[in-house]
Amino acid sequence: DTEVTQTPKHLVMGMTNKKSLKCEQHMGHRAMYWYKQKAKKPPELMFVYSYEKLSINESVPSRFSPECPNSSLLNLHLHALQPEDSALYLCASSQGFVRLPYNEQFFGPGTRLTVL
Amino acid sequence: SQQGEEDPQALSIQEGENATMNCSYKTSINNLQWYRQNSGRGLVHLILIRSNEREKHSGRLRVTLDTSKKSSSLLITASRAADTASYFCAPTAVTGNQFYFGTGTSLTVIP
Repeated sequence: DTEVTQTPKHLVMGMTNKKSLKCEQHMGHRAMYWYKQKAKKPPELMFVYSYEKLSINESVPSRFSPECPNSSLLNLHLHALQPEDSALYLCASSQGFVRLPYNEQFFGPGTRLTVL
Repeated sequence: SQQGEEDPQALSIQEGENATMNCSYKTSINNLQWYRQNSGRGLVHLILIRSNEREKHSGRLRVTLDTSKKSSSLLITASRAADTASYFCAPTAVTGNQFYFGTGTSLTVIP
């Protein structure tokens, strides 16, 4: 299974709502990533988990809260978002996050988030 | 951040023609990867070239790397309408395993 799944595909939420994005992979990968992508822009790295521990937080506002319950699952909890947070949120996984020369990432299809 | 700059930003060609896109980066790299993204979807890994390699092929794809010029190019030969997508380079810095995507080239192949 070389698939990364993300749910939901689409999400519309108000600025006072609390919601969560979910990501799952069963490739035995030990690194998982969250990216945010605005229209016609490259994906921007938000968080990296390595062996279920948060390794990188790219100065993301605290209204985004990542969680890695186990090696196959990655969540992104959303609270008090702003309209400018509307974007495509992509999850990815890779074999590892140590000094490996090979770090191909496998991406999910993304969650299209709209904040009203 | 270790971001690549891609050129051109947009490219439109006829089916059957070759498409070339270029990526320049700033610091020493471990490897450089190319990804494709169809509109509004996840990215798909195309090819990885290591810093000690100069050229690599995969099907209709040819990637070159010139570390002295800190640049890479992706050539798609005999393009097809299905190649219409955005293409991103992703240089991986020597200092870490993470990488950042370049600015992207939007390719349109006209049937």
